[in-house]
Amino acid sequence: EAQVTQNPRYLITVTGKKLTVTCSQNMNHEYMSWYRQDPGLGLRQIYYSMNVEVTDKGDVPEGYKVSRKEKRNFPLILESPSPNQTSLYFCASRGTGLNYGYTFGSGTRLTVV
Amino acid sequence: AQSVTQLGSHVSVSEGALVLLRCNYSSSVPPYLFWYVQYPNQGLQLLLKYTSAATLVKGINGFEAEFKKSETSFHLTKPSAHMSDAAEYFCAVRKYNTDKLIFGTGTRLQVFP
Repeated sequence: EAQVTQNPRYLITVTGKKLTVTCSQNMNHEYMSWYRQDPGLGLRQIYYSMNVEVTDKGDVPEGYKVSRKEKRNFPLILESPSPNQTSLYFCASRGTGLNYGYTFGSGTRLTVV
Repeated sequence: AQSVTQLGSHVSVSEGALVLLRCNYSSSVPPYLFWYVQYPNQGLQLLLKYTSAATLVKGINGFEAEFKKSETSFHLTKPSAHMSDAAEYFCAVRKYNTDKLIFGTGTRLQVFP
């Protein structure tokens, strides 16, 4: 089944403790991105990647890092999480041609205390 | 700048009634438009997309949307609501010449028996 897989689904952590949210897709998509969803704000893009080793900032990149060493994986790294990063995070990848469209993962609900 | 506006953060309908969720976009170039649905504790699922082909787009679960350039609208409709349609719905536009999706703030649909 074509999908984007995020882990973990739920995470509670403490301020300042580094964490990584993993994202993997099995559709051979070149484009991947991360979004955060907050009430009343919809979804906002954090980072995106057009291909391996090519990443760029979205609208709200502060406090986040990403890497794209392989086509299928696009982890989101919070070096020093803060409470304002408590949010619901989504990873997405995009197909091309007739399959143009964005496939989203199931989400990671992060709470930073 | 491109943007989408979803009118009505909450919409309530009776089972069997028409569903109409409104989305207006702002774009100086032909847009790519999307509707996504989010069920509780789940990720975003693509309902339908407009990528400059037919203006009436049919999606999954009986939903459809019509692209109206003169009204800058892309409203989502379904002739007869079902209880299982209760969810949050997001309209999105692809930012021109990028792969970023710009989301509306969402509309929560409630369906009453």
